[in-house]
Amino acid sequence: GQQVMQIPQYQHVQEGEDFTTYCNSSTTLSNIQWYKQRPGGHPVFLIQLVKSGEVKKQKRLTFQFGEAKKNSSLHITATQTTDVGTYFCAGLRAGGTSYGKLTFGQGTILTVHP
Amino acid sequence: EAGVVQSPRYKIIEKKQPVAFWCNPISGHNTLYWYLQNLGQGPELLIRYENEEAVDDSQLPKDRFSAERLKGVDSTLKIQPAELGDSAVYLCASSLGVTSGSQETQYFGPGTRLLVL
Repeated sequence: GQQVMQIPQYQHVQEGEDFTTYCNSSTTLSNIQWYKQRPGGHPVFLIQLVKSGEVKKQKRLTFQFGEAKKNSSLHITATQTTDVGTYFCAGLRAGGTSYGKLTFGQGTILTVHP
Repeated sequence: EAGVVQSPRYKIIEKKQPVAFWCNPISGHNTLYWYLQNLGQGPELLIRYENEEAVDDSQLPKDRFSAERLKGVDSTLKIQPAELGDSAVYLCASSLGVTSGSQETQYFGPGTRLLVL
């Protein structure tokens, strides 16, 4: 079945440092979504990428979708303590009969030291 | 606009007991999802409904898990009997609807944290 892997599993940074998490799928994706889950909270949608090579920005967050639509990344510039949480990518497999089914990565846990 | 509502928020039961979770999706959302999230892992889909029809239940352990969405709105997820390994967070999510080739944003509820002793 489809697998979505994220690295690193954990990332500890000093406030002001940059952070990047990477997402890789075993299969070509139709699109990919990113979610953030605060400690004790539930996943909250951040963004969706659909096009090959697409880059989207949300303030200090930059999201990229690979040319082959099998990988993606989230980069945070100058982290703040409010960025703390777990960042999940979730991919929708291209083709087949499983449309509508998102496969989540295991997430990257970000801690930010003030 | 109210978000996805789930109850209870927490549940502690002894193994072999039954347990049920309830979800009320965002008004107008046709698609409803039940996920299981273990500690340190991403959500794993258990079942997806399009209105009242279960269109993907391939990951639902049907020997002990059941779900229903009788009127295409609220949904319940039941475990009977519960096992120690069922301890996890059960998340409900909803979206407007799935169209071929696209993926709607999923809005998650707060989840039900289940502890089986």
